[in-house]
Amino acid sequence: NAGVTQTPKFRILKIGQSMTLQCTQDMNHNYMYWYRQDPGMGLKLIYYSVGAGITDKGEVPNGYNVSRSTTEDFPLRLELAAPSQTSVYFCASQEGRTLRWTDTQYFGPGTRLTVL
Amino acid sequence: TQLLEQSPQFLSIQEGENLTVYCNSSSVFSSLQWYRQEPGEGPVLLVTVVTGGEVKKLKRLTFQFGDARKDSSLHITAAQPGDTGLYLCAGGNSGAGSYQLTFGKGTKLSVIP
Repeated sequence: NAGVTQTPKFRILKIGQSMTLQCTQDMNHNYMYWYRQDPGMGLKLIYYSVGAGITDKGEVPNGYNVSRSTTEDFPLRLELAAPSQTSVYFCASQEGRTLRWTDTQYFGPGTRLTVL
Repeated sequence: TQLLEQSPQFLSIQEGENLTVYCNSSSVFSSLQWYRQEPGEGPVLLVTVVTGGEVKKLKRLTFQFGDARKDSSLHITAAQPGDTGLYLCAGGNSGAGSYQLTFGKGTKLSVIP
C-alpha cells in the first residue's frame, strides 16, 4: 500500500494563476481531508469529504474548491492564486467505519506551495 | 469554536533529559490524539486517548488525558535525538462536527546529542 500520495511536492505560482493539487489514497477510506499548515499555526481544515460525491467546507475554504468523484481521489483546486495561499498543503484520509473521533488520520507528505 | 493551546511552543533539550508538553482547552473533547511530524513529512499518529484520566505508554512516551477531558500531556523520558519533531495534539468530538479534528499549533522539540 502506498497510503496517501500527493503531487506535486513543490510548486511556485504567480498571482492569479490556477492549479490543482492531487491527492490519492489506496486504503479504501471513506473520509478525506485537505489541510493547510502555516508556520507556527498548526493545521487548518480547508475542505473534507465523507464519501464520493459528498464534500463540505472546513474552517478556511475561501479561494479553494474540491471534488470527490471517486473514493480514491480528492483534488484541491486553487482558481486565482494569492500570496496568502502560500503554505504547505496536506491531504489526509480516515477509514470512517468505526467511531470517527477516534479514527487515525493518515497524512500524505504534503505539497509546498509558494505564490509570488 | 473549540481551541487547543499547546505549550511550550518551542523546546530545546539535551539528550537524556525528561520533558513534558501540554495541550489545554476550555472545551471538552470526546478524544484526544497526539501526532508527531518530522520535517518535510505529514503528521503520524502516536496515540489516541478517550477516557478522562486515561494514561497510555508508548516506550519512553507517556500520554495522559485530563479527568475532565479538557487537557492532555505528553511526557518523554530520557529524550533521544530521534524524538526531534513537531508534536501536535488534536481533539475529536462525537457530536456535531465529528468529522473534523481540532489541532493545536504544535510544540517543536529539538533534542541535542
